[in-house]
Amino acid sequence: GENVEQHPSTLSVQEGDSAVIKCTYSDSASNYFPWYKQELGKRPQLIIDIRSNVGEKKDQRIAVTLNKTAKHFSLHITETQPEDSAVYFCAAIRMDSNYQLIWGAGTKLIIKP
Amino acid sequence: DAGVTQSPTHLIKTRGQQVTLRCSPISGHKSVSWYQQVLGQGPQFIFQYYEKEERGRGNFPDRFSARQFPNYSSELNVNALLLGDSALYLCASSLVGAEAFFGQGTRLTVV
Repeated sequence: GENVEQHPSTLSVQEGDSAVIKCTYSDSASNYFPWYKQELGKRPQLIIDIRSNVGEKKDQRIAVTLNKTAKHFSLHITETQPEDSAVYFCAAIRMDSNYQLIWGAGTKLIIKP
Repeated sequence: DAGVTQSPTHLIKTRGQQVTLRCSPISGHKSVSWYQQVLGQGPQFIFQYYEKEERGRGNFPDRFSARQFPNYSSELNVNALLLGDSALYLCASSLVGAEAFFGQGTRLTVV
């Protein structure tokens, strides 16, 4: 089955700097890769996603890149702000199979003022 | 439009008891999935239902069961509760082939 590894587990960056979180997946049939942001005590919220027919997607300060050959995808946050502090989860899924999101272990992002 | 709603939001149960958690999906969403999130970890898939049929099951014991009703709402049942069942239980709904939207979760504490 699918396995998703996420690194780093904790990331501390200076406000205004960029943050990069990386994930690798094992199932080459996975074709949808969402990223979720979870603030303490709250539900995961989708911040950006990418499908396997696209190599990069941007939404303002957030971007996701996908390398299908290497089976890894990354989240890039530029000009980080204090409100970016949260736990970020990557996930992978085969959209034509049962809708079972396989999650990474999460990255705690700390934005230092 | 209402998002995914879950009830109750918090629950305290004693070891050995049974619990039922409820989820109402976004209107029009026919797929409902359940996840368990232990503090400090990522969510773990428990069940997925689509059109009232179980489409996927994660690596959880038979003490965990679920069902989906004709209005696409869903219940998750856990029997013979253990301390290790203490977690945030998340419900997600989706259209087929689209992103999942999560409810606020039910915080279950087993004492």
